[in-house]
Amino acid sequence: GNSVTQMEGPVTLSEEAFLTINCTYTATGYPSLFWYVQYPGEGLQLLLKATKADDKGSNKGFEATYRKETTSFHLEKGSVQVSDSAVYFCALSDAKGAQKLVFGQGTRLTINP
Amino acid sequence: DAGVTQSPTHLIKTRGQQVTLRCSPKSGHDTVSWYQQALGQGPQFIFQYYEEEERQRGNFPDRFSGHQFPNYSSELNVNALLLGDSALYLCASSLGWTSYNSPLHFGNGTRLTVT
Repeated sequence: GNSVTQMEGPVTLSEEAFLTINCTYTATGYPSLFWYVQYPGEGLQLLLKATKADDKGSNKGFEATYRKETTSFHLEKGSVQVSDSAVYFCALSDAKGAQKLVFGQGTRLTINP
Repeated sequence: DAGVTQSPTHLIKTRGQQVTLRCSPKSGHDTVSWYQQALGQGPQFIFQYYEEEERQRGNFPDRFSGHQFPNYSSELNVNALLLGDSALYLCASSLGWTSYNSPLHFGNGTRLTVT
């Protein structure tokens, strides 16, 4: 079945550092790929998405590129802020419908000032 | 514009009991999905409702059932609670159940503790 594997956390960085959170997937067909963010005490929010190979999703300085050849969708940001501290989830959609998502286990990110 | 609202926010139940969780979708949305998020894990898809029918289901036992009302709100029912059912239950809404361009909007969840 479909699955998503994220780099294990927690990840702790200093403000203005470069961020990479690795995500690889296993899927049949051509799923869409997503990054969701969960701030403390809140629900998940869509951060960015890509729907086909070589697409780049971007939002709030975060980027991720859909790499079919390596089945990856790594999240990057050039300069993180304290406000980026949260749990990040990589996810893919079932090919039958975008609403049925398969999530990775999440990566907790802490940014120190 | 109200987003997805869930009630209650926290709930404590005893093993063997039954529980009902409620969800009101974001205004304009007609599809509701439910996810279970165990502590330290990613959410797992339970099922999805559209036009008052269950459209897709994940790998959850029949103890988990749901309902969608004509106003698009939804309930998640869990019977014969087990300790392993303790989790954060997330409701998500969207417009249409097969639209690839309608992102999910999540509520803040209901924290269920089974003792």
